[in-house]
Amino acid sequence: DTAVSQTPKYLVTQMGNDKSIKCEQNLGHDTMYWYKQDSKKFLKIMFSYNNKELIINETVPNRFSPKSPDKAHLNLHINSLELGDSAVYFCASSPRQGRDRSSYNEQFFGPGTRLTVL
Amino acid sequence: GNSVTQMEGPVTLSEEAFLTINCTYTATGYPSLFWYVQYPGEGLQLLLKATKADDKGSNKGFEATYRKETTSFHLEKGSVQVSDSAVYFCALSKGNNDMRFGAGTRLTVKP
Repeated sequence: DTAVSQTPKYLVTQMGNDKSIKCEQNLGHDTMYWYKQDSKKFLKIMFSYNNKELIINETVPNRFSPKSPDKAHLNLHINSLELGDSAVYFCASSPRQGRDRSSYNEQFFGPGTRLTVL
Repeated sequence: GNSVTQMEGPVTLSEEAFLTINCTYTATGYPSLFWYVQYPGEGLQLLLKATKADDKGSNKGFEATYRKETTSFHLEKGSVQVSDSAVYFCALSKGNNDMRFGAGTRLTVKP
């Protein structure tokens, strides 16, 4: 009954390769996110999608391209991988903001994908 | 812009010690405030939350009170356990699906 799942859990690849990370949520949420966590545990948002539409796109190289085939999936494709891309990538989801403040925007995180670029 | 500043770690405590991890925020209006916990090798999990001034969030013996006058949301626990060893993140949200996280504080509890 995994709420937010990511595959693969570990990804080791050579510089210059292209790779994808998949994310799926079965919570019925409208919004999904990708975060990058560096070796010092600093968490930085990369993208946010609401109902398959991009709503947040932080300063991220255009080698990173999110793809949302439906609102339950948000995949991350990375072209021409570089050493500095090595990190843990987290997918997350949250329900749509309600009219009152009770929906909190709590985010539910996947287990992470550890990407190592050699 | 909206941001969160939290106490730098690492923090090392003995079992049963009192824990405080400081968190202050900068935001216009009335953000919702959160503490998330990340155990080794896992994703972040919500620990507790508060949506308005003077609200107290609590869970698993942890507490934090939303203080608008000091723009703070400090995390406290009266008696930590070895199993509390993790990285703790303070975060805020203004309700536009944009969550801002602090830098994280690593806590190690020794037996």
